[in-house]
Amino acid sequence: DADVTQTPRNRITKTGKRIMLECSQTKGHDRMYWYRQDPGLGLRLIYYSFDVKDINKGEISDGYSVSRQAQAKFSLSLESAIPNQTALYFCATSDPRGNTQYFGPGTRLTVL
Amino acid sequence: GQQVMQIPQYQHVQEGEDFTTYCNSSTTLSNIQWYKQRPGGHPVFLIQLVKSGEVKKQKRLTFQFGEAKKNSSLHITATQTTDVGTYFCAGLITNAGKSTFGDGTTLTVKP
Repeated sequence: DADVTQTPRNRITKTGKRIMLECSQTKGHDRMYWYRQDPGLGLRLIYYSFDVKDINKGEISDGYSVSRQAQAKFSLSLESAIPNQTALYFCATSDPRGNTQYFGPGTRLTVL
Repeated sequence: GQQVMQIPQYQHVQEGEDFTTYCNSSTTLSNIQWYKQRPGGHPVFLIQLVKSGEVKKQKRLTFQFGEAKKNSSLHITATQTTDVGTYFCAGLITNAGKSTFGDGTTLTVKP
């Protein structure tokens, strides 16, 4: 949905570099999520945040950190990128009632 | 660990054939949602089921939620090439606060 934007859309970086992926939303949702998608492995949750002061680890948080700068912004950082973090990364938002998630267009990250 | 299982992982059909993907949870779900991801795209919400035994239809797509609210299915009648993509279920486990996605079923349709 255009209401959820991610930058950059594509990124190639080198092992050991720090990288930040950014997500912004205009849906007014409190809940935001970061997922990683690898072929055949579906969507794996990295971190999620139910409001600005609430940050929670997902199933694969090692090697990642997040920052919830505002209700509308949720950033994912790789402190020292490694090749097995090469993947497609999605940000998503949801409202608390039905939990329907709205995904951004994704960031394709390649770590060489 | 994985609490929402989805099968099959891949399904190849001839155009016009039917297709079904199944989602199973080890625990009771408050609701289940279905998403479709077109090749090169992002997951897009299709539908949500909340009630035990609920059945909903969207044109050629039929969604069911089991009586025990632990399983669900998506059935496509007479597939078309526009149906290609990966279909994900996402189950909201009671009191978990967030949904858990299945691994998805990737559908390819041969014209």
